[in-house]
Amino acid sequence: AQTVTQSQPEMSVQEAETVTLSCTYDTSESDYYLFWYKQPPSRQMILVIRQEAYKQQNATENRFSVNFQKAAKSFSLKISDSQLGDAAMYFCAYRCEETSGSRLTFGEGTQLTVNP
Amino acid sequence: EPEVTQTPSHQVTQMGQEVILRCVPISNHLYFYWYRQILGQKVEFLVSFYNNEISEKSEIFDDQFSVERPDGSNFTLKIRSTKLEDSAMYFCASREGLAGPYEQYFGPGTRLTVT
Repeated sequence: AQTVTQSQPEMSVQEAETVTLSCTYDTSESDYYLFWYKQPPSRQMILVIRQEAYKQQNATENRFSVNFQKAAKSFSLKISDSQLGDAAMYFCAYRCEETSGSRLTFGEGTQLTVNP
Repeated sequence: EPEVTQTPSHQVTQMGQEVILRCVPISNHLYFYWYRQILGQKVEFLVSFYNNEISEKSEIFDDQFSVERPDGSNFTLKIRSTKLEDSAMYFCASREGLAGPYEQYFGPGTRLTVT
C-alpha cells in the first residue's frame, strides 16, 4: 500500500523568508503524480503544485517549487518570499495512475505559521 | 471558473440518524470522490465513482455508507445510521478524466457533527 509521510507537524517562517516542507512517500508503482495541497482555516482544499513522476524537471508555480527526488522518494515544497496568506495546513498527496479510481493518499499535514 | 459545490456547509445530527450530504461536481467531469477529514487528522479517501458505479472504496466505506448520482448533476453520500465517530469534514471532489494530469477539484466541504 502507498503511504505518504510528513515528518514536520509544524513549521514557522518569517514573512519574506523561504521555508521548505518535507514529504516522503512509499510506492512500488512507476506511474504516479505527487501534489501539495493548502488548507487554510476555511478548510477548503486548494491545489498548490503538481509533479508528474516521469518528469525529471521540478515543478514550479510562482513562489512555490518542489524538489522531487524519485530515487529517494522525497517530494519537498519550497515557499519563497513567504506571505502572511501562506499560513495554512499543507498536505502532501500521492496518486497512482495504475489503480481503477486514482484515489489521493494524503500525508498527515504540516501546519505553517508565517510571522510578520 | 467552474467549481464543486457542497450542501449543507454544516450538518448537526443525532446518533443513529441518517444523513445525506450533497455535492454538485463540475459539469463536464466524469469521476467523483468522497473524502473525510476528522478534526486534526489527515484527509482520508472514502470512495470513487464512475459511470454510475463505485470504482474503488476504502476500508472506512462500510455498509453504513452509500453513494448515488440520482440525476445528471448531484452526487450524494448517505450515512445510514450515524455514529459519534462519523463527525468529520466531508469533501467531495471531481475530475474530468482518469489517467493523465487531470487534477481533482475539491468542494468546500460539509462539516458533520454527530451528537
